[in-house]
Amino acid sequence: KAGVTQTPRYLIKTRGQQVTLSCSPISGHRSVSWYQQTPGQGLQFLFEYFSETQRNKGNFPGRFSGRQFSNSRSEMNVSTLELGDSALYLCASSPSGYEAFFGQGTRLTVV
Amino acid sequence: DAKTTQPTSMDCAEGRAANLPCNHSTISGNEYVYWYRQIHSQGPQYIIHGLKNNETNEMASLIITEDRKSSTLILPHATLRDTAVYYCIVRGLQGAQKLVFGQGTRLTINP
Repeated sequence: KAGVTQTPRYLIKTRGQQVTLSCSPISGHRSVSWYQQTPGQGLQFLFEYFSETQRNKGNFPGRFSGRQFSNSRSEMNVSTLELGDSALYLCASSPSGYEAFFGQGTRLTVV
Repeated sequence: DAKTTQPTSMDCAEGRAANLPCNHSTISGNEYVYWYRQIHSQGPQYIIHGLKNNETNEMASLIITEDRKSSTLILPHATLRDTAVYYCIVRGLQGAQKLVFGQGTRLTINP
């Protein structure tokens, strides 16, 4: 069974640009969550999508957004990038209510 | 979700049992205890979860006290590959998939 796939694995962007990250969940999983991990703040919840609807949202500015498609694949977008957005972005899929399975993450560097 | 408290770091000799404690004194009746670990630069990995009974799987055992205010994750025969940050998380089983990660315990397995 294939795991959670995140693309790209590494990304370098310039301040002010925007970026889109992609996550393909495990087949059959309808819940996709996104997390940001930085050395200073640790792992922080961004948002969760279930059946194309945002079900929960963390405490992040509106520059961070996401969506989920009918095949459960999800994308997150960060607009007007800031240096502080440099982080490992992790996606997790879940068969709703049970354990979450994480991908390897996308490491975003903003210069 | 209830807050958890874990030691910042622990050491264990290879081949010995690693016992990782977690305090969750404000846990409510419908909340489960989850354990994840994160090996350097990888996405978190689900280990085990439980409500009130002790649980065991191929990776670890979870011992929850009778009052449910604390728990212990046991890795029965630690190997060097078990070196990681271990997170204890409390959350409800159903509903939105939101994991609140603390700082975790950095477990180092020594040869």
